[in-house]
Amino acid sequence: GEDVEQSLFLSVREGDSSVINCTYTDSSSTYLYWYKQEPGAGLQLLTYIFSNMDMKQDQRLTVLLNKKDKHLSLRIADTQTGDSAIYFCADYSGNTPLVFGKGTRLSVIA
Amino acid sequence: DAMVIQNPRYQVTQFGKPVTLSCSQTLNHNVMYWYQQKSSQAPKLLFHYYDKDFNNEADTPDNFQSRRPNTSFCFLDIRSPGLGDAAMYLCATSTRGAGDNEQFFGPGTRLTVL
Repeated sequence: GEDVEQSLFLSVREGDSSVINCTYTDSSSTYLYWYKQEPGAGLQLLTYIFSNMDMKQDQRLTVLLNKKDKHLSLRIADTQTGDSAIYFCADYSGNTPLVFGKGTRLSVIA
Repeated sequence: DAMVIQNPRYQVTQFGKPVTLSCSQTLNHNVMYWYQQKSSQAPKLLFHYYDKDFNNEADTPDNFQSRRPNTSFCFLDIRSPGLGDAAMYLCATSTRGAGDNEQFFGPGTRLTVL
């Protein structure tokens, strides 16, 4: 089946940029998503990118997509302690439901 | 505000004792999903409804059942919970046909099995 891989942990200092990476295997992906999950809560959609785009910016968030390498990244500028959470990459091809990665736990050090 | 609501937020049950988790939505979305999420793992899709059409994932155990009596409500029934069923259960909704399949998640119900 299709697979989405992420590194499990990332630690950054407050004010620095965070970059969370994701790779996927589905060559027919149409949308790729980033979800945020805070402790004890559901998943919150942060942003998504359509597969024919290579970059999307939304305030402090920048998504980069390299479709050739099937690599997606989420950059958070000026990372704050409130950004500490688990970030899930997810892939949608239209034929199957969302495929999630295992999530990257972002820790922000004050 | 339109939202996805899950009750209860925390549920404790005994090994083998049936339990029902509930989800309601005010978004009027035609698709509802149930996910199981264990610690440090990705959410795992159990099943979803497209309107009244039920879609079961191939590896969802028979112990898990679902009901959707109307557009707004969806229930997850665990007939005989085992210790391995302890997890966070997430409900989500979407409007299929919108193209982007954005899913809106509820806060989850954390199930403990004693």
